Amino acid sequence: KQEVTQIPAALSVPEGENLVLNCSFTDSAIYNLQWFRQDPGKGLTSLLLIQSSQREQTSGRLNASLDKSSGRSTLYIAASQPGDSATYLCAVSEVPGGGADGLTFGKGTHLIIQP
Amino acid sequence: EAQVTQNPRYLITVTGKKLTVTCSQNMNHEYMSWYRQDPGLGLRQIYYSMNVEVTDKGDVPEGYKVSRKEKRNFPLILESPSPNQTSLYFCASSFGRLGDEQFFGPGTRLTVL
Repeated sequence: KQEVTQIPAALSVPEGENLVLNCSFTDSAIYNLQWFRQDPGKGLTSLLLIQSSQREQTSGRLNASLDKSSGRSTLYIAASQPGDSATYLCAVSEVPGGGADGLTFGKGTHLIIQP
Repeated sequence: EAQVTQNPRYLITVTGKKLTVTCSQNMNHEYMSWYRQDPGLGLRQIYYSMNVEVTDKGDVPEGYKVSRKEKRNFPLILESPSPNQTSLYFCASSFGRLGDEQFFGPGTRLTVL
């Protein structure tokens, strides 16, 4: 059964720093990997979607990479801002027949950017 | 505006009193699903639907029912809620089952006393 792990569980950094969030998954037979942001009391906002054939995706100050063979993804946030404070979730979509249908989520990294 | 809506957003109820959480999307998506989010357990899929009248169990379906009579709506039904169903519930949709970006609703916080 697919397991997704996110490290660190929590991170607090001063404003302006570049930072990296890590995501690992146990079964490399994934269809895609998606990074989400979750604000307290709110839903999930999709940040980046990386198909299994891709190596990375970029959106503004965010860059996500995928190394399917090693079961890892990173989310790089450049020049962090207080508004980036949120919980970041990584989720994988598996190839059919693997026993799961929906997304398998990590437990998230709770990020605080100090002003 | 493209979106997934859920109602109610907050609900406090008592054990055994049937309830329905509605979910609607305006993006003509075929695939819809329900997740619950619990501290320490993360998000887990409850049920999913690949199209109208096609539904199937996810990882944690016990105690829940769903229906998909229209493409845009995918209600979650708790016939006899119990305290262990106290959770934050999310509805999600995408064009297809695989390879497509998932869009999530704002969540429904349910408390069962």
